Amino acid sequence: SQQGEEDPQALSIQEGENATMNCSYKTSINNLQWYRQNSGRGLVHLILIRSNEREKHSGRLRVTLDTSKKSSSLLITASRAADTASYFCATGGSYIPTFGRGTSLIVHP
Amino acid sequence: GAGVSQSPSNKVTEKGKDVELRCDPISGHTALYWYRQSLGQGLEFLIYFQGNSAPDKSGLPSDRFSAERTGGSVSTLTIQRTQQEDSAVYLCASSARQGADSGNTIYFGEGSWLTVV
Repeated sequence: SQQGEEDPQALSIQEGENATMNCSYKTSINNLQWYRQNSGRGLVHLILIRSNEREKHSGRLRVTLDTSKKSSSLLITASRAADTASYFCATGGSYIPTFGRGTSLIVHP
Repeated sequence: GAGVSQSPSNKVTEKGKDVELRCDPISGHTALYWYRQSLGQGLEFLIYFQGNSAPDKSGLPSDRFSAERTGGSVSTLTIQRTQQEDSAVYLCASSARQGADSGNTIYFGEGSWLTVV
């Protein structure tokens, strides 16, 4: 089974709204990374949060990590149509990052 | 190179034929990964190379799949006697050291889209 599982599987919002995606995992981790995948393209690294961090920001992205609940969330503020993509979390606890099935985000202009 | 380069970007092959997919990682990156992504699915780990160490092949789905990495750089994923269920995007990624565990960013190529007809 996959280590990271994103929720919801699909999210549809209007431009300007915030989008929140969650990731749950099962075993202890050293860090957690979020990636974006535009349709038909490779994955692009967005942000990494280490296990001793609780929150991290990068531009319009805000990531939180709760190791006690084994969960992370990705918040995209003031979404844009260009944010339409699939978002994956990847957990690092061994040297092979494992990915969930992703959240498909659609931002309507 | 500037990024991870994969070729071919698209490949249509007949069932039963062999295919080779190539990955050219970022120069200097010692860690190299192959993943497979079926339509609408997550990434399935296939194989991991780290420097001159023996590769971790634990994710290869069958003995029809093999991969090598020559000179610690370019990698080739070979699928023998392709089946329709092999149709997927094959993604290669590299990182400077041991990838996610050490906090190093993993960089992905654009993938090779394989269709077996």
